[in-house]
Amino acid sequence: EVQLVESGGGLVQPGGSLRLSCAASGFTFSSYEIYWVRQAPGKGLEWVSYISSNGNTRSYADSVKGRFTISRDNAKNSVYLLMNSLRAEDTAVYYCAREGIVGALGCFDIWGQGTMVTVSS
Amino acid sequence: HSALTQPRSVSGSPTQSVTISCTGTSSDVGGYNYVSWYQQHPGKAPILIIYDVNKRPSGVPDRFSGSKSGNTASLTISGLQAVDEADYYCCSYAGSYTVVFGGGTRLTVL
Repeated sequence: EVQLVESGGGLVQPGGSLRLSCAASGFTFSSYEIYWVRQAPGKGLEWVSYISSNGNTRSYADSVKGRFTISRDNAKNSVYLLMNSLRAEDTAVYYCAREGIVGALGCFDIWGQGTMVTVSS
Repeated sequence: HSALTQPRSVSGSPTQSVTISCTGTSSDVGGYNYVSWYQQHPGKAPILIIYDVNKRPSGVPDRFSGSKSGNTASLTISGLQAVDEADYYCCSYAGSYTVVFGGGTRLTVL
């Protein structure tokens, strides 16, 4: 089964750090770009970060630039999101998503189930 | 990029059709034919229902269709069913490996 599974969420104090993981299975992970998308409680979807299939190209939303770092390990079929200097407004469900349709940029055919990050003292 | 503009809510009766608009700029919706739409039921992950403006992934009913004119994309759901009641989000590629989502539209089936 083709799937993405996030982990690593939890409760963290403002200013703290957390590393999210996204484990892939059921497909050739190293061939696909991966995005992180978040959703604050009761709010809409917000793009967070992107990483290319070989990890050489990365991009970030302005709201997280300089604080979050995306990386991947194709040998472990995993993508990571290191989140530093966390703020209350970073509280959200974080999804990883696969850009899976050839030629369809910014289109996500597979999503994980999400992992909740709560930033609070 | 600011979020794409969607109506906060739409509604329709079973068997009717509804259309959800998604307005952006020439830097996103108007500049690329890479608009996608997602359906999200409460507590669940989003599901892709339209990509490349008007293409449907395998398994998505043909009751769902997409279009675009200028800086505005639209999702039309025909033959409304109770299971269609959900939140719908548009998304556009915005260049340089970035995307922007719409604020979401809550569809109520009366």
